[in-house]
Amino acid sequence: DVQLVESGGGLVQPGGSLRLSCAASGFDVTKRYINWVRQAPGKGLVWVGVIYSGGYTYYADSVKGRFTISRDNSKNTVYLQMNSLRREDTAKYYCAREAGGDFDFWGQGTLVSVSS
Amino acid sequence: EIVLTQSPDFQSVTPKEKVTITCRASQSIGSNLHWYQQKPGQSPKLLMKYTSQSTSGVPSRFSGSGFGTDFTLTIHSLEAEDVATYYCHQSSSFNTFGQGTKLEIK
Repeated sequence: DVQLVESGGGLVQPGGSLRLSCAASGFDVTKRYINWVRQAPGKGLVWVGVIYSGGYTYYADSVKGRFTISRDNSKNTVYLQMNSLRREDTAKYYCAREAGGDFDFWGQGTLVSVSS
Repeated sequence: EIVLTQSPDFQSVTPKEKVTITCRASQSIGSNLHWYQQKPGQSPKLLMKYTSQSTSGVPSRFSGSGFGTDFTLTIHSLEAEDVATYYCHQSSSFNTFGQGTKLEIK
């Protein structure tokens, strides 16, 4: 069965860093696009970025230059490195598998809180 | 960036009612429009892909239509379990989501 499990969330001060993990099972992350999507408390879904099967990455303007998506093929895991965190980055972060446009599987999410 | 605008933002509904949610794109996206259902405390779930293709396990009371800039998700006879927030998503140019439409039981 396809499964995505996020981890690594927590409380961090403004300006700090955090690395989120998205552990995949039931498929090979090198053969699919994996996206990160976030949802601030009580708000809607916002696309953060994507890593393509070939390793290319693209980001939303709001996180470009601060966030980096990478992949460990041996662990079948995708990462979201978040630097220079701001209060407005507070959200639940989901990883989602892309099936050629649509996002067919989502993880349960991990909560990131940026506060002093 | 392609902006998706959903309407309504919120709707109070009754069981067996026909519900229509619209999603308008700021520029043409062909049929690259997908719909998700999110229930409280849960992750989003893919409901409809490429405008009108329902995904496995989705009840037949859900249907999608549209092309270009105007899209519709219809629930033909609402059931209590359909109370959720619905999001549209375009994949024509990177990815953006609509702001969501929350359905609540009247």
